[in-house]
Amino acid sequence: NAGVMQNPRHLVRRRGQEARLRCSPMKGHSHVYWYRQLPEEGLKFMVYLQKENIIDESGMPKERFSAEFPKEGPSILRIQQVVRGDSAAYFCASSPSGEQYFGPGTRLTVT
Amino acid sequence: QKEVEQDPGPLSVPEGAIVSLNCTYSNSAFQYFMWYRQYSRKGPELLMYTYSSGNKEDGRFTAQVDKSSKYISLFIRDSQPSDSATYLCAMRLFMEYGNKLVFGAGTILRVKS
Repeated sequence: NAGVMQNPRHLVRRRGQEARLRCSPMKGHSHVYWYRQLPEEGLKFMVYLQKENIIDESGMPKERFSAEFPKEGPSILRIQQVVRGDSAAYFCASSPSGEQYFGPGTRLTVT
Repeated sequence: QKEVEQDPGPLSVPEGAIVSLNCTYSNSAFQYFMWYRQYSRKGPELLMYTYSSGNKEDGRFTAQVDKSSKYISLFIRDSQPSDSATYLCAMRLFMEYGNKLVFGAGTILRVKS
């Protein structure tokens, strides 16, 4: 049973470009969460999605960030017009109901 | 005040020692408590998942929850160099369809051989 998959593992973007991060949940899991980990900080919740629905986006910055979990395919976290402060590790987690299992993360570097 | 407080360490112990890692929290509505282990540049790995107050044991790991004191602990017996990692406590509210996790900042553990 494959775990949570994320790609790319490393992403370098120049300021002003778009970053697109993908997450495929574990088989049978219908809940997807995105978290961000800044250097020397813990993980911070961003958004919680089920298929075709955003359930809780209280941790998402108001501008430039969006997320989706379509009926088919992976969940996508999109960051438009990236800035240096967006450099971080972005983790996706999936859950069958309660406990959450994390993927390996995407490390975004904005130059 | 942060919702979840965790001493960042680093905590250095000799191989074979018993390790105690702790978190305190302020929101009495938290119902579920988890411990994750994170190796450098890797994703968090779920170690323990508990609901009620009391102890839960799994191999060398014991998770302890004291809801009255808003305090949780993770004990590692017979610690090994391979246990060297960052340990994150996490907790969430009760909801029928799952909910976001609130994490502590993580404690860096170093086990010396």
